[in-house]
Amino acid sequence: QSVLTQPPSVSAAPGQKVTISCSGSSSNIGKNYVSWYQQLPGTAPKLLIYDTDKRPSGIPDRFSGSKSGTSATLGITGLQTGDEADYYCDTWDSSLSAVVFGGGTKLAVL
Amino acid sequence: QVQLVQSGAEVKRPGASVMVSCKASGYSFTGYFIHWVRQAPGQGLEWMGRINPNNGDTIHARHFQGRVTMTRDTSISTAYMELTRLRSDDTAIYYCARDTGGIYDSTLDYWGQGTLFTVSS
Repeated sequence: QSVLTQPPSVSAAPGQKVTISCSGSSSNIGKNYVSWYQQLPGTAPKLLIYDTDKRPSGIPDRFSGSKSGTSATLGITGLQTGDEADYYCDTWDSSLSAVVFGGGTKLAVL
Repeated sequence: QVQLVQSGAEVKRPGASVMVSCKASGYSFTGYFIHWVRQAPGQGLEWMGRINPNNGDTIHARHFQGRVTMTRDTSISTAYMELTRLRSDDTAIYYCARDTGGIYDSTLDYWGQGTLFTVSS
């Protein structure tokens, strides 16, 4: 059971928009920055979003991050088949003094 | 360019220990935390802990308390993670990752290629 809750799967058609939620609590998302990672099959995770809403160099602006209260959201617009991957959120949990990950969300671009 | 290169796959018996190395290059090794994250087959990411290469300070996830040791050798820019008393459910891919965030943050911007170790009798 993950400390952060993500939907197991989401799907949308190419060109459409999708959002992935990450629900936590006041000790983690509620007070700390959130990061998002994309993991393509058979590869290491890749940083997509950091500090809740910032994109590293090289990440297209189709990817966005936001937070409200104890929930964070990853948005992906203009979906491409290459976006099919697992997506994970993470943050620092101040009560656990630990990094916590969401359980991951599998994105299908149908 | 920044690179984290991990040691190769291992097969271990239950009860044994294993050590994974993570050699950093392309940046100042002592300037960034190194985290260890594992992923069991078909499962999600699980944080194990992190080390501050500058002073060796570590924080571990409670799940691994007493079984995991994280160390570093600054002379060769390498971090190590040792896991003891292996069980079959420790079979996973183990990743090291560099953190550019702060103390109460997790921004894992570069990852190693992963090391698979299998625990089997």
